[in-house]
Amino acid sequence: DTEVTQTPKHLVMGMTNKKSLKCEQHMGHRAMYWYKQKAKKPPELMFVYSYEKLSINESVPSRFSPECPNSSLLNLHLHALQPEDSALYLCASSQEAASGINEQFFGPGTRLTVL
Amino acid sequence: AQSVTQLDSQVPVFEEAPVELRCNYSSSVSVYLFWYVQYPNQGLQLLLKYLSGSTLVKGINGFEAEFNKSQTSFHLRKPSVHISDTAEYFCAVSEIGTASKLTFGTGTRLQVTL
Repeated sequence: DTEVTQTPKHLVMGMTNKKSLKCEQHMGHRAMYWYKQKAKKPPELMFVYSYEKLSINESVPSRFSPECPNSSLLNLHLHALQPEDSALYLCASSQEAASGINEQFFGPGTRLTVL
Repeated sequence: AQSVTQLDSQVPVFEEAPVELRCNYSSSVSVYLFWYVQYPNQGLQLLLKYLSGSTLVKGINGFEAEFNKSQTSFHLRKPSVHISDTAEYFCAVSEIGTASKLTFGTGTRLQVTL
């Protein structure tokens, strides 16, 4: 299984809502990532988990809260988002983070719209 | 810190013509190099990667790329494109021995027409 799955595919939420994005991989990878991608732009790294511990937070606002319950799952909890947070949110995984052989496998993304 | 430059934001090409998408990188250390493709409303798919060894790397869908250390380039080529190759292509670099970060270029939109 070389797939990264993400749910939901689409999400529309108001600025006062609380929602979560989910990501799952069964490749035995020990590093997982969240990216944000705006239209016609490259993905921007948000968070990196390595061996279920948060290793990188790219100065992301606290209204985004990541969680890694186990080595296969990665969540992104959303609260009090702004319209400018509307974007495609991509999850990725790789064997590990430390070696630099960063062949990342990406999920299909969640298209988030904040009203 | 590493950086990646994709000078061409858009490349229009006719079907069955050859294409080259350019990528240049900058880094103070050795790097691994990747090309990803993104079809509309989808995630990124790895096309090919250069880790070490032969500088000519073959990937999926008939694409290949050549690593040129002296010119710090990793250009992507395909001898004959198909309509289905229409997509956004991202070059990315990761520094050897450092953790986690994959730095992407700004992307090149390949538009294949009949």
